[in-house]
Amino acid sequence: NAGVTQTPKFQVLKTGQSMTLQCAQDMNHEYMSWYRQDPGMGLRLIHYSVGAGITDQGEVPNGYNVSRSTTEDFPLRLLSAAPSQTSVYFCASRRTSGRKDEQFFGPGTRLTVL
Amino acid sequence: GESVGLHLPTLSVQEGDNSIINCAYSNSASDYFIWYKQESGKGPQFIIDIRSNMDKRQGQRVTVLLNKTVKHLSLQIAATQPGDSAVYFCAETRSVTGGSYIPTFGRGTSLIVHP
Repeated sequence: NAGVTQTPKFQVLKTGQSMTLQCAQDMNHEYMSWYRQDPGMGLRLIHYSVGAGITDQGEVPNGYNVSRSTTEDFPLRLLSAAPSQTSVYFCASRRTSGRKDEQFFGPGTRLTVL
Repeated sequence: GESVGLHLPTLSVQEGDNSIINCAYSNSASDYFIWYKQESGKGPQFIIDIRSNMDKRQGQRVTVLLNKTVKHLSLQIAATQPGDSAVYFCAETRSVTGGSYIPTFGRGTSLIVHP
């Protein structure tokens, strides 16, 4: 299994540009989520999904959209990038939404918005 | 508001020493805690977890202690090795509508192990 994969690894955008961060998992996990990590801070939850066709907002959802059309993929869209969205983004998945299932993280995408 | 945090942002130890990383939480309703390790340039990796009905849980070279009275969590690493150098996060999980459990992460502590 490849686990959780993310593309791209690095991205530079100009303010106002849009882009999609890709996330895929091959473990047939129901639960997937997106976090952002800023210097000196812990991971903050952006959006999450408890299964295909179901998404919900996390702690910091503004400026981001998600969809979950398949179990495997959970893309994160930035419709109009802002410098405040400069961060490292992590996608994660776990078997179910239950608390006891181990959460697996992808390697991250480092995004810079100029 | 309620939050999860860490006492020490940076901890430096000598190889072979034992390391203790601390975490304070303020949500008394939290009933499940996780420690993660994040190496440079990588995503967080699960280390060990503990439920609120336990005071201590041991893994391989790691022990997590939970003190619910003072809302304190610690991660002990025995015989610390250079490969243990990383940022360590504690996280509490909370239940949301629908029964999902979502972790809330603390700021992280950077552990530096000197050979």
